[in-house]
Amino acid sequence: AQKITQTQPGMFVQEKEAVTLDCTYDTSDPSYGLFWYKQPSSGEMIFLIYQGSYDQQNATEGRYSLNFQKARKSANLVISASQLGDSAMYFCAMREVLMDSSYKLIFGSGTRLLVRP
Amino acid sequence: ETGVTQTPRHLVMGMTNKKSLKCEQHLGHNAMYWYKQSAKKPLELMFVYSLEERVENNSVPSRFSPECPNSSHLFLHLHTLQPEDSALYLCASSQDRQGFGSYEQYFGPGTRLTVT
Repeated sequence: AQKITQTQPGMFVQEKEAVTLDCTYDTSDPSYGLFWYKQPSSGEMIFLIYQGSYDQQNATEGRYSLNFQKARKSANLVISASQLGDSAMYFCAMREVLMDSSYKLIFGSGTRLLVRP
Repeated sequence: ETGVTQTPRHLVMGMTNKKSLKCEQHLGHNAMYWYKQSAKKPLELMFVYSLEERVENNSVPSRFSPECPNSSHLFLHLHTLQPEDSALYLCASSQDRQGFGSYEQYFGPGTRLTVT
């Protein structure tokens, strides 16, 4: 069974500094996708970044980058130049394909990030 | 209106009440999902609808009944709930296209449900 592990329940970072949020995964599928979502206190889940298992390069989206180490089964999220608005819960997720080719996401337990001014 | 909307945003109901949660997506997607987020627990998938057919029922109790009348709307009908059902219920949608792209799911703001 697929599994996502986030070992950091909470983290602090100073404003304008970079921070890395850890995510490890376990799957026997050769083809998979990894996602990071941000959940502010308002509750909405906001898609940040995606990495496919066959992608040759690490994904980047603005200040977000994904440090994908396939052999270690890790997909850490790096946020550069942290902003106060980055304070939120961050979830790592993996795509699991269902029988009819639709899919569902398996989520980790999340990391709460607090950015200090 | 854009994205994924959910109504109501907050709901307080007694254990004998019947209520419904509504989700609407304006993204032209063909798959919709219900998730439950309880305190101190990971998001739990409840139901998946693809092309208006239910393809996944993740061992959800029968007091939760989903309905997907078309690809843009998804309902979650609630009856005789328990206090432990109090949680944030999130709806999401995606465009299923096997073999292409990231399949990211777009989430609504959620309904905060309290069962008294």
